[in-house]
Amino acid sequence: QLQLQESGPGLVKPSETLSLTCTVSGGSINSSSYYWGWIRQPPGKGLEWIGTIYYSGSTYYNPSLKSRVTISVDTSKNQFSLKLTSVTAADTAVYYCARDKGYCSGGSCYPYFFDYWGQGTLVTVSS
Amino acid sequence: DIQMTQSPSSLSASVGDRVTITCRASHTITNYLNWYQQKPGKAPKLLIYAASSLQSGVPSRFSGSGSGTDFTLTISSLQPEDFATYYCQQSYSTPITFGQGTRLESK
Repeated sequence: QLQLQESGPGLVKPSETLSLTCTVSGGSINSSSYYWGWIRQPPGKGLEWIGTIYYSGSTYYNPSLKSRVTISVDTSKNQFSLKLTSVTAADTAVYYCARDKGYCSGGSCYPYFFDYWGQGTLVTVSS
Repeated sequence: DIQMTQSPSSLSASVGDRVTITCRASHTITNYLNWYQQKPGKAPKLLIYAASSLQSGVPSRFSGSGSGTDFTLTISSLQPEDFATYYCQQSYSTPITFGQGTRLESK
């Protein structure tokens, strides 16, 4: 059974960098059939897609966050990571990692739907 | 960006009821529409992908339909464990976007 687990600091100071890691177990992050994504949810609010990465390293980012976001993958550790720079209180949220069943069309592949999720980790931005 | 609008935002229903939730996209998304269920303090769970395909392990009382811009999620006979918040999500183009959610409560 595939499992994803987020890890990282639960408290980050304003203007600093939020760093989270998602460890995948029960399956390989090297699969050509899947992408790996980050989604966040501010307390009491809806879901916001942050970005998605393929095991090869190709990425898709939400333009609203693109200037501050980096998603990377470490296939040797079966992990992928999120870095969000210059955080503010508006970045306070539960951050989820998830497996993305990508699809391919016209020679390119794209994010599709999230079929396995981590339990989520609350990151609070506060001094 | 493609905006996803769900209706209603909240809904009260009783066990055994047939429930329908609607999701409308601001531009055509063909059938690149997925539905999730989220319970308090838990991660979302995939119910339906590609507008009408039931995810493995999801009860058959859940169904999805629609194409283009208008989609529905139907629960044929509401069970106690179905009270939750439901989200639609489009993957026709990036950025991937979600609806604002529909909270399904017990009447």
